Order: sequence, then C-alpha cells, then structure tokens
Amino acid sequence: GAVVSQHPSWVICKSGTSVKIECRSLDFQATTMFWYRQFPKQSLMLMATSNEGSKATYEQGVEKDKFLINHASLTLSTLTVTSAHPEDSSFYICSARDPQGGGPYEQYFGPGTRLTVT
Amino acid sequence: GQNIDQPTEMTATEGAIVQINCTYQTSGFNGLFWYQQHAGEAPTFLSYNVLDGLEEKGRFSSFLSRSKGYSYLLLKELQMKDSASYLCARGSSASKIIFGSGTRLSIRP
Repeated sequence: GAVVSQHPSWVICKSGTSVKIECRSLDFQATTMFWYRQFPKQSLMLMATSNEGSKATYEQGVEKDKFLINHASLTLSTLTVTSAHPEDSSFYICSARDPQGGGPYEQYFGPGTRLTVT
Repeated sequence: GQNIDQPTEMTATEGAIVQINCTYQTSGFNGLFWYQQHAGEAPTFLSYNVLDGLEEKGRFSSFLSRSKGYSYLLLKELQMKDSASYLCARGSSASKIIFGSGTRLSIRP
C-alpha cells in the first residue's frame, strides 16, 4: 500500500513553454502533498505544501506565479512550471501524507520527474 | 541545507561499518529522519527517531541526542548496493520535512 505515482517520469521542453507534472496517491487519500526540487548532487529542497481544496503554501524564495500548484482532489496534485527556462531543469519529487498513517510525518514519495528545459 | 549539517562524501569498504553523523538546529524540532537515495531515484525511508537513544533495524541503526542536536546513521556489514546518498532530515512545523544536503557514500570492494 501507500503508493505515489508521478507523471511524466521525464520531460524535455523548450524554453518559454509550460510543463505540468502530476502527483497521484494511488491507494490512499492525501489531504496534503509536498513538492520538492533537487538539483544534481544536492539535496531535496521543499518548494511548497499543497493542501486539498485550498491554496498552496510556498517556501521562502519560491515564486508562486511561476510554480503553479493545484490540489483539486484528494488523490491528485499538479505542479505547473510556467515559462520554463534552462535553470528550471531539475528533478521534481512529490510526496503525499496519509492522514490515516502512523503520524504527522508519514509521507510517501513519488518516483520523481526529470525536467530538462532546452 | 537549512541548518542541518552532514559530511558531503564518505568512502568505506565492503563488509565494514560506517557511521554518518548529522547535526541540526534544535529549535522547532519534530523528530529526525534518515533516507537513502540512489542516483535518479526518489528517497526511501530508513528511520525516524523522536526519542533519545539508538534504534536498530537490521544492518542499519540510528541514534539521536536531542539535547546535543546530534544524530548518526550506522551501517553494518556494508554491501556494494549501499552506495548511495544518505539524507538526514528533521521534522518541522505543519508536517514538513526539511532535508540536509546529504552524504554520498561510496563502497569499495
């Protein structure tokens, strides 16, 4: 149980275009999902907390108008990178919290999405 | 990152024991995590310590001292597949997990 999927697993796009990444909890309902970004040889940096039915909470320094987050259902959150630029090329990972799970930090990570902007 | 410090790289020998240390900012602390991450993959959960002391799970053990803001991950009987990055992370407010920069562990035969 507790499986989180991401789609696509990798994507290449041209500079100036927008890219949407989906994060789904497959066998549980996730009221809260988290989006992380990871540059090569660096750790995961939390970008935002996505709450079902409400606005996302962004970490300091993350542009909310550039990284649009929508959490329209209990099993799906989407991250849209708008007007992507090469510096946005990164590994984007989501995690989902299972409210029925063992504790407030019971999070399950998706497999990640590799974004390359050319 | 975010006041979590751990060595950038470590090397160890197959079959040996290695200890990866982590220090963190104690304010707003809500537990200490260790994750393993292979290149190009998502992190996988190893341990979560809330109370002081050592917790053992097979070849992996994790230790926490809350008063010192210190934790370590101990890996025994190292195998080549243990070559990975090990991420120390702490629980923060609103169920958030804040990650350190990670330690890249290389295992040599």
